[in-house]
Amino acid sequence: AQSVSQHNHHVILSEAASLELGCNYSYGGTVNLFWYVQYPGQHLQLLLKYFSGDPLVKGIKGFEAEFIKSKFSFNLRKPSVQWSDTAEYFCAVNKPGGYNKLIFGAGTRLAVHP
Amino acid sequence: NAGVTQTPKFQVLKTGQSMTLQCAQDMNHEYMSWYRQDPGMGLRLIHYSVGAGITDQGEVPNGYNVSRSTTEDFPLRLLSAAPSQTSVYFCASSYGGQNYNEQFFGPGTRLTVL
Repeated sequence: AQSVSQHNHHVILSEAASLELGCNYSYGGTVNLFWYVQYPGQHLQLLLKYFSGDPLVKGIKGFEAEFIKSKFSFNLRKPSVQWSDTAEYFCAVNKPGGYNKLIFGAGTRLAVHP
Repeated sequence: NAGVTQTPKFQVLKTGQSMTLQCAQDMNHEYMSWYRQDPGMGLRLIHYSVGAGITDQGEVPNGYNVSRSTTEDFPLRLLSAAPSQTSVYFCASSYGGQNYNEQFFGPGTRLTVL
């Protein structure tokens, strides 16, 4: 079965700490990869996406992610988190030609303490 | 533009009751979809539509019906609610085509079935 795995369900960090959230997928072939963020009480917003080209993609609010094809991974990183980054983060996959159907990971809840 | 709107924001039902969750978008998007979000499971696709008059099943369609009579609206119907349908429901829309276009999510409906 096609799946997306996020390794950390809950992460707690202090402000200014570095962040890395893991994401692995189990699809063969070409995929489109995404990270979405859901701030408390809000709807999902797109953080960044990878379709092709440079495997290091930069998104909004200082986030970046690296696509490593050999590891089927798309980890999210931020060098220095802020309290306002407290949110739930979702990795998602889409197969090209598969319309807009997204397969989501279970999510990672990040809490950043001042 | 209002974007993607959903009503109601909260709903409590008794087992066996029926109801319709409303979703509307004003961006002239062809593609619309419904997801449910459950703790530890991320978002799962229920049904989707690639245009008015065309709908298809997603990952977890059982217990839900949809129709798409207009481009703007994509209601989700629960014919006989069950406690297993307690969840947060998100509607999303995007431009169409076989390749991926960024989806815009609504604010969600939190449904409790007693």
